Amino acid sequence: DAKTTQPNSMESNEEEPVHLPCNHSTISGTDYIHWYRQLPSQGPEYVIHGLTSNVNNRMASLAIAEDRKSSTLILHRATLRDAAVYYCILRDVGAAGNKLTFGGGTRVLVKP
Amino acid sequence: SQTIHQWPATLVQPVGSPLSLECTVEGTSNPNLYWYRQAAGRGLQLLFYSVGIGQISSEVPQNLSASRPQDRQFILSSKKLLLSDSGFYLCAWSELQASNEKLLFGSGTQLSVL
Repeated sequence: DAKTTQPNSMESNEEEPVHLPCNHSTISGTDYIHWYRQLPSQGPEYVIHGLTSNVNNRMASLAIAEDRKSSTLILHRATLRDAAVYYCILRDVGAAGNKLTFGGGTRVLVKP
Repeated sequence: SQTIHQWPATLVQPVGSPLSLECTVEGTSNPNLYWYRQAAGRGLQLLFYSVGIGQISSEVPQNLSASRPQDRQFILSSKKLLLSDSGFYLCAWSELQASNEKLLFGSGTQLSVL
């Protein structure tokens, strides 16, 4: 399975943008890049996904490098509710079905 | 609308006791189903996934087993719990077998084995 590498933690001030990097140098041509976040004591929540082009939704933006070996999740204006662990994942479709393997993620701390 | 139900929310079990955690999905058919475990302060570990009734793939050797007796029901079991089985267990589903389809997670079960 292709793996991802993320920083363990990041801090941000409220109302400021947050840029969360993810390296996935072994990504294959058919792997989608997914981002999830997990608030304390809750299950992960889908944030955004993409293949090659940059993507935007109401929660965040996803910027994907041209060679697809890295990507960045952008929270445009961090709020206290955005404090969570953010996971960058490559979604692998195998013969036996989908697998979505989580790494350690990046713990985001938002300071008021 | 599609929903996923997972219960119980918390569970305290003695070492050596059996375990049964149930997960059901509503509002869809033939979902892909997953069981994850999260140890305290750690990331999520994929335990099992299923693409259909009776079809279970195990990701790691362990003291647990999974079954899918019905299309929208996924059960995680153990005959004898170990201390190391403690953790936060999450059920998830996805609708299509496609790499752009997102996973939806249940609310989780916090299992403490004492």
